[in-house]
Amino acid sequence: RKEVEQDPGPFNVPEGATVAFNCTYSNSASQSFFWYRQDCRKEPKLLMSVYSSGNEDGRFTAQLNRASQYISLLIRDSKLSDSATYLCVVKNSGYALNFGKGTSLLVTP
Amino acid sequence: DTGVSQDPRHKITKRGQNVTFRCDPISEHNRLYWYRQTLGQGPEFLTYFQNEAQLEKSRLLSDRFSAERPKGSFSTLEIQRTEQGDSAMYLCASSPRMGSGPGPETQYFGPGTRLLVL
Repeated sequence: RKEVEQDPGPFNVPEGATVAFNCTYSNSASQSFFWYRQDCRKEPKLLMSVYSSGNEDGRFTAQLNRASQYISLLIRDSKLSDSATYLCVVKNSGYALNFGKGTSLLVTP
Repeated sequence: DTGVSQDPRHKITKRGQNVTFRCDPISEHNRLYWYRQTLGQGPEFLTYFQNEAQLEKSRLLSDRFSAERPKGSFSTLEIQRTEQGDSAMYLCASSPRMGSGPGPETQYFGPGTRLLVL
């Protein structure tokens, strides 16, 4: 079983829609959580860190449920420019980031 | 541009050849990471340097792979006797030293070196 599991999608949504991505992780001792965004043939870029209390950055809201080992990302009012792959990332006590396979989002006009 | 840089951006080689990739981290970042990403997968950790010391290696890093960071600045990743299964994007990332301010855990990725082994 992979350490970080995500639904690969693709999610096809119209502009203005709200879309949610979910992710589960297997290591209950995981310490830090992130969402990265990766555009086609580009490098991953940090979208936001995820905190236990939940956090929001503009149209993006991230939630963490440690008891269920579950992370979510909500995107409101989707823009065409949000089309990308969203990578769920978990860090344990070591140095490595553990990435999910990513969820592909396509926002259509 | 003061981000992470990698060279070359693309490399095509024949099976059995050796290849070497270079990574220049963000200035003053003392921590450097190598990852590998294949199509449809997320990046997978290969190795980690703190300054010039290689502190962690993944079991993915077979004995054909070697990484160095001799002066604690740029790093090289060498693959000997390449195989077709080595075809992937090789990503380098860096992060600031712990305690250097907000977000020290954030890893900043370079554009990657795309390797194709024929």
